[in-house]
Amino acid sequence: GQQVMQIPQYQHVQEGEDFTTYCNSSTTLSNIQWYKQRPGGHPVFLIQLVKSGEVKKQKRLTFQFGEAKKNSSLHITATQTTDVGTYFCAGSGGGYQKVTFGTGTKLQVIP
Amino acid sequence: GAVVSQHPSRVICKSGTSVKIECRSLDFQATTMFWYRQFPKQSLMLMATSNEGSKATYEQGVEKDKFLINHASLTLSTLTVTSAHPEDSSFYICSAPRPGSGNTIYFGEGSWLTVV
Repeated sequence: GQQVMQIPQYQHVQEGEDFTTYCNSSTTLSNIQWYKQRPGGHPVFLIQLVKSGEVKKQKRLTFQFGEAKKNSSLHITATQTTDVGTYFCAGSGGGYQKVTFGTGTKLQVIP
Repeated sequence: GAVVSQHPSRVICKSGTSVKIECRSLDFQATTMFWYRQFPKQSLMLMATSNEGSKATYEQGVEKDKFLINHASLTLSTLTVTSAHPEDSSFYICSAPRPGSGNTIYFGEGSWLTVV
């Protein structure tokens, strides 16, 4: 079945440093979504990418969907302590609504 | 405010008993809802797709008779963990795509199940 891997698994950064998490799917995706989950909380939708090569920005967050629609990345510029949490990518393959979650990247920001 | 509501948020039950978790879409109709399970420090694993008016579709390796799913209406899906065992202790979370929002998927707050 479809597998979605993320690297790194964990990342500790000093506040103000940049952070990037990479997402790779074993199969071509129809779209990819990114979620943030704070400790003890539920995943919160951040963004959805649909087009090959698409790049979207949300303030300090930049999301990219690969040309082959098999990989994606999330880049945070100048991290803040509020960025702490686990970031998951989630891809849809054959079925538009059924998503497979990536393994997640846990971000820790050191003040 | 919450778009998808889940109840209860935390439940403790004894081994051998059954527990029901509810997932409601608050301001939209959801013909499809998804149930996930998340173990500590792990990702979300899709358990089943709940379909209003028909049987749920279970992922490989998920026991249908143990995790009963009923999509009773267009705004309610329930997950019943039957004959619960300690290894069923986990975080269960539902989600639903919201029509008209590009099918953006919204998650419930999740339910922590502890089986003692």
